[in-house]
Amino acid sequence: QGQLVESGGGVVQPGTSLRLSCVASGLTFSPYGIHWVRQAPGKGLQWVALIWNDGNKKYYADAMEGRSTLSRDNSRNTVYLQMNSLTAEDTAVYYCARLVGGDGYNGGALDVWGQGTTVTVSS
Amino acid sequence: DIQLTQSPSFLSASVGDRVTITCRASQGINNYLAWYQQKSGKAPKLLIFDASTLQSGVPSRFSGSGSGTDFTLSISSLQPDDFATYYCQHLNSYPQTFGQGTKVEIK
Repeated sequence: QGQLVESGGGVVQPGTSLRLSCVASGLTFSPYGIHWVRQAPGKGLQWVALIWNDGNKKYYADAMEGRSTLSRDNSRNTVYLQMNSLTAEDTAVYYCARLVGGDGYNGGALDVWGQGTTVTVSS
Repeated sequence: DIQLTQSPSFLSASVGDRVTITCRASQGINNYLAWYQQKSGKAPKLLIFDASTLQSGVPSRFSGSGSGTDFTLSISSLQPDDFATYYCQHLNSYPQTFGQGTKVEIK
């Protein structure tokens, strides 16, 4: 059974940076976009960002724009989310998920999700 | 940005009940809508994509409908395993936001 595994979370101080990783094993990775979704404690799902299969297109939520960078290494089946200038509002479980279907810009859905990695921003 | 509003936010129902959750978009999103189920402490699970297509392996008591701005998720006969929180997500342009969620609890 294929899976996605996130790592890189932890407890960090406000203003610092963190790089999250999402590694795929046992499932087809390179043809698909990868989304990041986060969930603050007791709250709903919040879309964070998307990187397309070839890494050439990237989209970010307004809250992440300008302080986050997506990248991917298809040879390592890995996507990275670099987050800078972290604040308490970034405290959440961060999930990566595979995008399947769609027409190259719209549509599809997130069919495989990782178990999440927890980021806590606190002084 | 497109906003998704789910209703109700909370639903109390009994095993065997028919349940309907609605998701309204602030502007038209064609049929680019997905539904997910999330249980406490777990990652979301895909139920429905393209508004009405059942994901492989999902029980047929789940169904989705709608297009444009108004969508529904229905559970024909609620089972004990269905008590969870449900989210809609649009995949029409960016950002691809989620609804605020609907928690389904046992009456």
